[in-house]
Order: sequence, then structure tokens, then C-alpha cells
Amino acid sequence: QKEVEQNSGPLSVPEGAIASLNCTYSDRGSQSFFWYRQYSGKSPELIMFIYSNGDKEDGRFTAQLNKASQYVSLLIRDSQPSDSATYLCAVKKQAGTALIFGKGTTLSVSS
Amino acid sequence: SAVISQKPSRDICQRGTSLTIQCQVDSQVTMMFWYRQQPGQSLTLIATANQGSEATYESGFVIDKFPISRPNLTFSTLTVSNMSPEDSSIYLCSVEINLNLMNTEAFFGQGTRLTVV
Repeated sequence: QKEVEQNSGPLSVPEGAIASLNCTYSDRGSQSFFWYRQYSGKSPELIMFIYSNGDKEDGRFTAQLNKASQYVSLLIRDSQPSDSATYLCAVKKQAGTALIFGKGTTLSVSS
Repeated sequence: SAVISQKPSRDICQRGTSLTIQCQVDSQVTMMFWYRQQPGQSLTLIATANQGSEATYESGFVIDKFPISRPNLTFSTLTVSNMSPEDSSIYLCSVEINLNLMNTEAFFGQGTRLTVV
């Protein structure tokens, strides 16, 4: 079992819809969870991080964490064509360790 | 936040040669990491660059192939040695900045797109 798993997609949604991106992780002791967006040919950029169970909202983005189910998700409301990118889920086991990345989900928002 | 300057941004190299990638940060950071992103894949950690000690390599990566230097808290280099076409990838350096007592945020350099012919 991979440490961080994501559906590779592509996930296609129409403009204005809600995009739901999912991620599961294998290490129950993982402490912090991150969502990065990566445009083709560019470096990853941080969208959100979460480390407590529940929801965390930032603008159009909501991260959801369920440690019991070892599941973290990212919701993008009012999706825009500019949101079309690969979304990487990353997990940190503990302070001082590197991030472990999933393979990423490709999102395509059509206008 | 942190501003990371990584260079070169891209290079085309002959097999059997070596390329050194530089990563410069605008502030002192404890943890620096080197990742590889092969075409269509996610980021795989190569090693953690520790200032004042040898780098810590992940399984499947060895110092002879990917020597790393970390002379101070703002700079690191990664060398890809004796390159083969399989080394064609994007190489990224990353640093961690404390967000709060519990969490850090990883910032990435622009990446080095390496093609080995």
C-alpha cells in the first residue's frame, strides 16, 4: 500500500461547480496534511494545510480531515478554468521530516 | 515565507556527465530537501540536506550518484553524477519554515528540468 494515495483522474467539472479531491494515507501517526497545486511545468504551491480533525476553510477552498478514517479531502467551490492543474496531497509524519506526496489528481475545469 | 533561487532552470546534458544544481534561500533554514519529479509522477524525496553533517538519503538513492553539499544554512547543491536518460526529471529543492509551534510549511524552488541525451 502506498503511503499517500490519490485518484489520478482526470477529474472534470464544469465552471462554477464544486470539485472534490480525495486523499488517503497509511501512517496513522501522521500529523500534518497539505494540499499543493501544480501547474504544468511549474513548482508546487501550497493551497492549504490542516492538522486537526474537521474542516478548514480559506476562500473557495475547504480542507477536510478525518484521522480515524485516514482521509483528507479538498473541496474547491465555484471552480474556475484557472483551477485546472494537478493537486498534490502531502503528509508529514512528524516535525523535522520531509513531506510524503501522493501522485496527484489532475483537475480540468471547463468553461 | 521563503524565496528560493534554484539554478539552472533547465539543462540538456550528455550521458555520462554530471550536473550540479544550486539552491539559494533568502533566509537561514534548518531543513532543506531535494526531490525528484519524473515525467507524470509525483515528487519523490531524494535526501535531506543537513548543515554540518552528511545528507540523509532515502531508499533507492545513494551518495555516489547524488552527492549533496550544505555548507551553510542558506545554500545547498545537488549533483546528478554519471547521468543516464533515466535521470531525466525535474529536480526540486525545498525548505521548511515554521508556521507555528506545531507545523511547518514547505516552499519549493522553481525546479531544474534535466534532459539527458
